[in-house]
Amino acid sequence: GQQVMQIPQYQHVQEGEDFTTYCNSSTTLSNIQWYKQRPGGHPVFLIQLVKSGEVKKQKRLTFQFGEAKKNSSLHITATQTTDVGTYFCASSGAGSYQLTFGKGTKLSVIP
Amino acid sequence: SQTIHQWPATLVQPVGSPLSLECTVEGTSNPNLYWYRQAAGRGLQLLFYSVGIGQISSEVPQNLSASRPQDRQFILSSKKLLLSDSGFYLCAWRRGGNEQFFGPGTRLTVL
Repeated sequence: GQQVMQIPQYQHVQEGEDFTTYCNSSTTLSNIQWYKQRPGGHPVFLIQLVKSGEVKKQKRLTFQFGEAKKNSSLHITATQTTDVGTYFCASSGAGSYQLTFGKGTKLSVIP
Repeated sequence: SQTIHQWPATLVQPVGSPLSLECTVEGTSNPNLYWYRQAAGRGLQLLFYSVGIGQISSEVPQNLSASRPQDRQFILSSKKLLLSDSGFYLCAWRRGGNEQFFGPGTRLTVL
């Protein structure tokens, strides 16, 4: 299956600072998905990117898919305490039923 | 709208005891269903997935098994639990797209 490496593993930011997590693969990805898991909760689907160079925004969140479709990023502008949680990237191979998840980036926001 | 249920929410079991975790989905038919395990502070490990009744694919050989007796029911079982089986067990379903939707999870502690 497709392997995705995610960095950093942990990130502590002051409230109001920006935050970025990165997802990288050695192979071309068919798609990239992002999930958020709040402490004690379950992963929640945020978005899927499928096109080379695609950029999508959800309020303060910006998602990018690299031109070569081997990397992706999630950027949060002006973090808030509600952004606390672990952010996972995931990808499925073309025609595959399975998702391969990155290990996640755990975001802590200091008020 | 679609809903996914898991029970129990938490479970404490002694080593060597059996296990049965249940997952049901409402509001959809013939979903792809998945069992994941998440160790404390770790990523998501795919255990089993199913594309239809009686069809189970295992990703990680271990002392767990899965069954799908009905279209919208997915069961995770073990005959004898090990300490290493402790974790957060998540059921997910997938519709036509690639994104997956997770249930609330079961926190299993094996003592």
